[in-house]
Amino acid sequence: SQTIHQWPATLVQPVGSPLSLECTVEGTSNPNLYWYRQAAGRGLQLLFYSVGIGQISSEVPQNLSASRPQDRQFILSSKKLLLSDSGFYLCAWGRGVTEAFFGQGTRLTVV
Amino acid sequence: GEDVEQSLFLSVREGDSSVINCTYTDSSSTYLYWYKQEPGAGLQLLTYIFSNMDMKQDQRLTVLLNKKDKHLSLRIADTQTGDSAIYFCAESISGGYNKLIFGAGTRLAVHP
Repeated sequence: SQTIHQWPATLVQPVGSPLSLECTVEGTSNPNLYWYRQAAGRGLQLLFYSVGIGQISSEVPQNLSASRPQDRQFILSSKKLLLSDSGFYLCAWGRGVTEAFFGQGTRLTVV
Repeated sequence: GEDVEQSLFLSVREGDSSVINCTYTDSSSTYLYWYKQEPGAGLQLLTYIFSNMDMKQDQRLTVLLNKKDKHLSLRIADTQTGDSAIYFCAESISGGYNKLIFGAGTRLAVHP
């Protein structure tokens, strides 16, 4: 069966520090991978999606970047965090037009 | 444009039915989804419906889709305290990948 791992679960980082969140998927190959952000009291906003290794598309302009160095690994990064980057970050994987499966999320607080 | 709207809060008594409503704007949506998020956790897919269906039932869950009005609802029969969570409606926008557009979520509170 397929599983998705996302870490860390919580993170407190100072403004201006770098960020690296990792997500890995097991039990499937060539999945579509997604990074979403959930701001407090709001829905999920799609940040990045990837349909293959090295293929990254950004949905919104922002301070973050994403990379897919391996088929089942998706990384969300920032060189310098802003206060506005605080939120709940969710990685997800999916196939075609069927449902997306989510990780447990990372709660990032930038202080 | 792409937009999904839901009411933010619903309170029901244990044992009653809950109905969570959602409206969406993109008529080309292929699938519509309901996700459940418990406190501090990721999203769990509850059910989904293909856009050419009107209704889907899965145990205590019933999904109704009115494609003409772009209205989706989730009915939870015999609501239990364990159903307390945030419920997200989402539509898929196809195009080589599955882009999901989410609503802001409806917080369901179940009280005795």
